Amino acid sequence: EDQVTQSPEALRLQEGESSSLNCSYTVSGLRGLFWYRQDPGKGPEFLFTLYSAGEEKEKERLKATLTKKESFLHITAPKPEDSATYLCAGGADKLIFGTGTRLQVFP
Amino acid sequence: GAVVSQHPSRVICKSGTSVKIECRSLDFQATTMFWYRQFPKQSLMLMATSNEGSKATYEQGVEKDKFLINHASLTLSTLTVTSAHPEDSSFYICSAPGAGGLGTDTQYFGPGTRLTVL
Repeated sequence: EDQVTQSPEALRLQEGESSSLNCSYTVSGLRGLFWYRQDPGKGPEFLFTLYSAGEEKEKERLKATLTKKESFLHITAPKPEDSATYLCAGGADKLIFGTGTRLQVFP
Repeated sequence: GAVVSQHPSRVICKSGTSVKIECRSLDFQATTMFWYRQFPKQSLMLMATSNEGSKATYEQGVEKDKFLINHASLTLSTLTVTSAHPEDSSFYICSAPGAGGLGTDTQYFGPGTRLTVL
């Protein structure tokens, strides 16, 4: 059965304290691994698409990496405005979402 | 990036009434759109795939007669929750692939619609 698992479920960081979020996936015929940011009461905002193992993408304080079994979202020197739920999703012909990591960054 | 809008953003209705939610791709055409449901502190669950000019494809366990989907044009899909009940209260979100129309091209999401059924 196709599955996407994220850890940790919740993460509290001090401003400037770097960390990583994990996304493990088992998706037959994976065509892409996606990261989204979701703020409370809003739809997911697209961050990254990764297509092949070894691929990396960066945007401001975020960097996403991909291996054959998992993806990491690295957050460098986070700020309070990075607080959100980060979702990862994998898909073949449709997306399967993980349950997300709720990130809180304190000043 | 591609912009997807939804209307309304919030709706409160009485049990037994029907509610229509619109999803529009504002700056691109989408032959396929997706409808998701999200319960509090849970992830997005795909309900159905909306196809322009043909019938929607529903996920297992989703009642097609209760959640009517119409993909009227290349930029508009509607979800109608018929005879809504309190258990249908949820956050409904649509998405559309930004290119190619295939399921796993990057999907862009609407802002969501909060449905509350009293």
